[in-house]
Amino acid sequence: AQKVTQAQTEISVVEKEDVTLDCVYETRDTTYYLFWYKQPPSGELVFLIRRNSFDEQNEISGRYSWNFQKSTSSFNFTITASQVVDSAVYFCALSGGDYKLSFGAGTTVTVRA
Amino acid sequence: ETGVTQTPRHLVMGMTNKKSLKCEQHLGHNAMYWYKQSAKKPLELMFVYNFKEQTENNSVPSRFSPECPNSSHLFLHLHTLQPEDSALYLCASSQERRTLNSYTFGSGTRLTVV
Repeated sequence: AQKVTQAQTEISVVEKEDVTLDCVYETRDTTYYLFWYKQPPSGELVFLIRRNSFDEQNEISGRYSWNFQKSTSSFNFTITASQVVDSAVYFCALSGGDYKLSFGAGTTVTVRA
Repeated sequence: ETGVTQTPRHLVMGMTNKKSLKCEQHLGHNAMYWYKQSAKKPLELMFVYNFKEQTENNSVPSRFSPECPNSSHLFLHLHTLQPEDSALYLCASSQERRTLNSYTFGSGTRLTVV
């Protein structure tokens, strides 16, 4: 069975602050993918990143960065210098040998001007 | 503009009504999915279609009936729903079921059952 835990329900920050979203996963598969999606108020889930289980390199894309640590089964996401447009619900997800995409409960990020 | 289009965006229906949700994608994907997103809960996978064949039904009540006439279109037929069925229903697609590809999601249909 697979499980994704996002312990933070809501995070509120002031613009330009950094915010880190935690994601811890459980799986017995040796090959799996981890994802982060953003859900703005409009509703659609926007794909942000996919990382496979064999690639533990951290990744940076603009103000976004991801820290994958297999030893702690974590795939954390940091937004640097947050902006109001970053306000959304962020979901961490896992897809393993059963090819199902299992989502965490999501973290609501509110960036105040 | 998302590659997956869902209509309607909002739907209010009575418990005795029959309605349908529509999902359309022209991404060349062969797998399509229905997810239910209720408040404060993780997204729940409802149905999976791969090459037009239903491959998964996650114990969804029979008042939800999916239909996939071709790889580009997916419907969710609704009848005699309950108030607890009120949720955001999201459609997604991927290249095919048994790959670890990224999914493309639609904007969802916000359903309210009164």
